[in-house]
Amino acid sequence: GQQLNQSPQSMFIQEGEDVSMNCTSSSIFNTWLWYKQDPGEGPVLLIALYKAGELTSNGRLTAQFGITRKDSFLNISASIPSDVGIYFCAGISSGSARQLTFGSGTQLTVLP
Amino acid sequence: DTAVSQTPKYLVTQMGNDKSIKCEQNLGHDTMYWYKQDSKKFLKIMFSYNNKELIINETVPNRFSPKSPDKAHLNLHINSLELGDSAVYFCASSLGQRANSPLHFGNGTRLTVT
Repeated sequence: GQQLNQSPQSMFIQEGEDVSMNCTSSSIFNTWLWYKQDPGEGPVLLIALYKAGELTSNGRLTAQFGITRKDSFLNISASIPSDVGIYFCAGISSGSARQLTFGSGTQLTVLP
Repeated sequence: DTAVSQTPKYLVTQMGNDKSIKCEQNLGHDTMYWYKQDSKKFLKIMFSYNNKELIINETVPNRFSPKSPDKAHLNLHINSLELGDSAVYFCASSLGQRANSPLHFGNGTRLTVT
């Protein structure tokens, strides 16, 4: 089946620093999504990308849909303590039944 | 509040028991899903229903049986629970199966089988 390689697996950063994480796939995706999961809650959509090369921002978050359609990255600028959580990339291929494949997640810890 | 809500939030039970998890969404979505999140936080789809019709059934033991009485509800029944079933189960919904209709997740049910 399709697999998404998400890196890094975990990050420890100082408050105020910028963060970057990415996902790569062995196959082409038509849609890339970035979710954040807080402890004890379900993933919440942060950014959705629908076109190759698309660059989209949501506040301090910026994500890009790679030109090859096999990768995406998420940047967080000027991190704050509430950015702590697990960030997941997810991709939707052009196959039938619109299956969403998730990356393995990036655990972000922001140190004061 | 508009949301995907699932109950119970925590479920502790013994091996061999049968249990159910309920999910309801009031977002007006017509597609609902069950995902399993393991101890390593990996999210894997189990089932997907569109307008009460099963459209995705991943390789899941047949001890797991989803039931969708209407398009706002998707329940998950698990028979003969095993230790390996311990995980967090997430219900989700979306508006149709179009690529520009992202999933909205519930807050999860943490199942512990002892």
